[in-house]
Amino acid sequence: ILNVEQSPQSLHVQEGDSTNFTCSFPSSNFYALHWYRWETAKSPEALFVMTLNGDEKKKGRISATLNTKEGYSYLYIKGSQPEDSATYLCAFENYGGSQGNLIFGKGTKLSVKP
Amino acid sequence: NAGVTQTPKFRVLKTGQSMTLLCAQDMNHEYMYWYRQDPGMGLRLIHYSVGEGTTAKGEVPDGYNVSRLKKQNFLLGLESAAPSQTSVYFCASRPWTGKNSPLHFGNGTRLTVT
Repeated sequence: ILNVEQSPQSLHVQEGDSTNFTCSFPSSNFYALHWYRWETAKSPEALFVMTLNGDEKKKGRISATLNTKEGYSYLYIKGSQPEDSATYLCAFENYGGSQGNLIFGKGTKLSVKP
Repeated sequence: NAGVTQTPKFRVLKTGQSMTLLCAQDMNHEYMYWYRQDPGMGLRLIHYSVGEGTTAKGEVPDGYNVSRLKKQNFLLGLESAAPSQTSVYFCASRPWTGKNSPLHFGNGTRLTVT
């Protein structure tokens, strides 16, 4: 059974703090790693889809890195703002599994205090 | 361009009743998915489809059936609802797998089975 782990489960930071969290996934048969941002009472929205080892992606104050050999990805938020409060999900996509199936982690819930 | 639309948004069923959840996308996407989201769990895949006329089982398919008669629609059926199917259901779609192909989610359907 493929497992995707995210840590920490939750995080409370002050406005202006920079923060990061981790997604661990199986290192074999890697195809893609997804990051989603999920605000309360809304649906998940895609941040990044990463496919290459060493990939770095950036969107405003949010960036992500990928290490497929060791099976982890980091998501960084620089200068957190209250509007960054959300649950951040990662999802692993592998070759050989169900076509296009993503295995989701349980998410990291970020709360940013003003 | 509405994206992914789910109907209904809320529903309360009694044990043993049946219902169908509708997912419609207007982006001409090939892949469509049904997930359920429960407290403390990640998004879990129920069924998915890799194209019109195709369906396949995901991680938690028992008690559900699906159909994809038209490319734009993916229906999720509960033949005989059980309290364990109380959950929030999300539909998602994507054009292809892997690179540059994130999931596009609907707004969810909250189902309560009493």
